[in-house]
Amino acid sequence: DGGITQSPKYLFRKEGQNVTLSCEQNLNHDAMYWYRQDPGQGLRLIYYSQIVNDFQKGDIAEGYSVSREKKESFPLTVTSAQKNPTAFYLCASRGGGGANTEAFFGQGTRLTVV
Amino acid sequence: LAKTTQPISMDSYEGQEVNITCSHNNIATNDYITWYQQFPSQGPRFIIQGYKTKVTNEVASLFIPADRKSSTLSLPRVSLSDTAVYYCLVGVYAGNNRKLIWGLGTSLAVNP
Repeated sequence: DGGITQSPKYLFRKEGQNVTLSCEQNLNHDAMYWYRQDPGQGLRLIYYSQIVNDFQKGDIAEGYSVSREKKESFPLTVTSAQKNPTAFYLCASRGGGGANTEAFFGQGTRLTVV
Repeated sequence: LAKTTQPISMDSYEGQEVNITCSHNNIATNDYITWYQQFPSQGPRFIIQGYKTKVTNEVASLFIPADRKSSTLSLPRVSLSDTAVYYCLVGVYAGNNRKLIWGLGTSLAVNP
């Protein structure tokens, strides 16, 4: 089945550690996105990539890093510089047609700092 | 900074029609209005998208007035499984730049 897969579903991190969240899609989509969602809030854009080997900062990029070495993969690293990393992280992809095209989301990764 | 506005929550009963309105005063001329549904601990799922007037698919209708400064998602005969958070997504102007803005969402509770 075509789709977008995030792993792991739950992740626990000690303070001061970096962690990497995985996002893989087999939809052949060029654009991929990472969002953060806090309780009762809408989605906030962390990073996005329109094409392989290129990515742009979103609204809340500080403390995060990404890479886009392959079209199907867009991993997100939450660094120790992110002061409040506990949140629900969502990855999405979008095909051609620009920002009005339907976005497909993964099931999310819930990160908790312990 | 431009934003979208939706009711925080709504309550309904099975079999009723539910209408959720989103205000987006600064929508970009060429942007569409898109609605997503989200269940707890899952990613949002596309429901419907429109540019003007009325759009209908197998799950919902979307009504957009001529000035496009608002839109109304209509869910006919809701069931318990429609209990979720509903988001409207538009592109709006923020200064000289255009960005996509997610609303805070409307939490719909469907009661038996």
